[in-house]
Amino acid sequence: DAGVIQSPRHEVTEMGQEVTLRCKPISGHDYLFWYRQTMMRGLELLIYFNNNVPIDDSGMPEDRFSAKMPNASFSTLKIQPSEPRDSAVYFCASRPHGQGKSYGYTFGSGTRLTVV
Amino acid sequence: AQRVTQPEKLLSVFKGAPVELKCNYSYSGSPELFWYVQYSRQRLQLLLRHISRESIKGFTADLNKGETSFHLKKPFAQEEDSAMYYCALTGGSARQLTFGSGTQLTVLP
Repeated sequence: DAGVIQSPRHEVTEMGQEVTLRCKPISGHDYLFWYRQTMMRGLELLIYFNNNVPIDDSGMPEDRFSAKMPNASFSTLKIQPSEPRDSAVYFCASRPHGQGKSYGYTFGSGTRLTVV
Repeated sequence: AQRVTQPEKLLSVFKGAPVELKCNYSYSGSPELFWYVQYSRQRLQLLLRHISRESIKGFTADLNKGETSFHLKKPFAQEEDSAMYYCALTGGSARQLTFGSGTQLTVLP
């Protein structure tokens, strides 16, 4: 398995533009999470899905942020319009349901977003 | 509410010295505790889970429920241990990992 795949790895955009980040979770994982990492705030959970359904989006900072999971193998995080304070590394993670040796999260490599 | 506190943002030790990264948590039930490591500009990797009680790369962590702590320890630090370390917990039906703010460990030659 190639693990959790995120694209793009780096994104530089101008303030006001729409940005779309993409994530492909590990096949068979029921949960998908979006995290944002900044120097000031560390790792913050933005939203998570269970079986493609958004469960908790209380971490989404503003209405400018939206996330979708149209099927089990794909999720997007969209920022529209983007602002310089959105600059951060965005991580996607997935995990299987239940306990056991495979319990645990697998993180993607992240997307480094810079809004100028 | 679940909460993880890592009091040290930065920690520097010399190679061969012992290292301890502190982690305290707040959770009303029985949480699962983890340590994740992030090497420079790479993805987060699971280092330890408290329920597996294992030693990875010479690191150990013991869950102290009385003190609500899960400190990460290594008796002899190596330069390749330099990285960002995150303590995290998950518990109950929430299913999500809650991270501490992280500790940047630098092992000096």
